[in-house]
Amino acid sequence: EAQVTQNPRYLITVTGKKLTVTCSQNMNHEYMSWYRQDPGLGLRQIYYSMNVEVTDKGDVPEGYKVSRKEKRNFPLILESPSPNQTSLYFCASSFVQNTEAFFGQGTRLTVV
Amino acid sequence: DAKTTQPTSMDCAEGRAANLPCNHSTISGNEYVYWYRQIHSQGPQYIIHGLKNNETNEMASLIITEDRKSSTLILPHATLRDTAVYYCIVRVAAGGTSYGKLTFGQGTILTVHP
Repeated sequence: EAQVTQNPRYLITVTGKKLTVTCSQNMNHEYMSWYRQDPGLGLRQIYYSMNVEVTDKGDVPEGYKVSRKEKRNFPLILESPSPNQTSLYFCASSFVQNTEAFFGQGTRLTVV
Repeated sequence: DAKTTQPTSMDCAEGRAANLPCNHSTISGNEYVYWYRQIHSQGPQYIIHGLKNNETNEMASLIITEDRKSSTLILPHATLRDTAVYYCIVRVAAGGTSYGKLTFGQGTILTVHP
């Protein structure tokens, strides 16, 4: 089954404790991206990747890192999480940019 | 990407067709109309897209006016599971220069009731 898988689905952590949210797709898509969704602010793009080893900042990259060492995986790294990073996070992939996107189930992160 | 305008909310009876309108009067010739939906806090789900011809798939139909300034998403037989926020967006063609960012507006909250 074609899918985008994020882990974990839920995470509560403390300020400053490094964490990684994993994202994996099995559709051989070139384009992957991370979004955060907050009430009243809609989806905001954090980082995107056009292909392996090619990543770039989206609209809200501060406090986040990503890597794309292989085509299927695109982890989101929070080196020192802060409470303002409490949000619902989605990973998405598509064949190339501007084609239909497939989203993961979401990761609800709470930083206390 | 062009701006879209959708009604804030709509209701539909189960089993009836749900017709969701979208205005995109500033759409450019190379921009497609895409529809996604988001069921409460789940990942957004792609529904359908089109350029100028009407399109149909297993989920829905998309009717685009001849001048391409508006479109309607049709769910032919709405069920309770179709209750969601529906987003209409316009995007340049595959590989275009917008770097692939999806920008969802406020969307239409569709409530399907028994």
